Amino acid sequence: DAGITQSPRHKVTETGTPVTLRCHQTENHRYMYWYRQDPGHGLRLIHYSYGVKDTDKGEVSDGYSVSRSKTEDFLLTLESATSSQTSVYFCAITAAGLNTEAFFGQGTRLTVV
Amino acid sequence: TQLLEQSPQFLSIQEGENLTVYCNSSSVFSSLQWYRQEPGEGPVLLVTVVTGGEVKKLKRLTFQFGDARKDSSLHITAAQTGDTGLYLCAGARFGNEKLTFGTGTRLTIIP
Repeated sequence: DAGITQSPRHKVTETGTPVTLRCHQTENHRYMYWYRQDPGHGLRLIHYSYGVKDTDKGEVSDGYSVSRSKTEDFLLTLESATSSQTSVYFCAITAAGLNTEAFFGQGTRLTVV
Repeated sequence: TQLLEQSPQFLSIQEGENLTVYCNSSSVFSSLQWYRQEPGEGPVLLVTVVTGGEVKKLKRLTFQFGDARKDSSLHITAAQTGDTGLYLCAGARFGNEKLTFGTGTRLTIIP
């Protein structure tokens, strides 16, 4: 199994509070991605990173920010959590951006109440 | 509107039957991948197709990439209960490092 871990695995938070999810990899892969998964939508890309301090927005980036200060860590922050951000969040890594296998973490189930 | 639309969204069939799942887009992709996801886990790669018209077989699963590189299909022959899961297609567009996923097909095989 690819060395990719997400933390926390589960979190319940209140509306309006900031939340940070962490993705840690031991594969030294260049690309890292944050997705959210909701019924009927598959996986939707929030943000991705193509190197240290190099990030770009995905299709559902509003309300989220990311940071990558080291190759191995990619942080996703919800600035002020809303109920619409209740979801399962997945981190993925790829060695290169195209035609290569994406390895996923086990997901973080976030509930905003 | 998502870039990759999958159909059907849900499919429930008897063990031993055949089925086909579709992944369609109006955009051209450099490659398409198919993943399967079990409950509580992240998706796991089944196959990558990179050439227009390409057909790949993985035991009872047959994957095809459309000639125009805009669509793909997954055909399962003689479905088994172990095939149950969420099937996701994913694609990367030329010159774009974003890996985009489809809407998913939730497959249930009834014993």
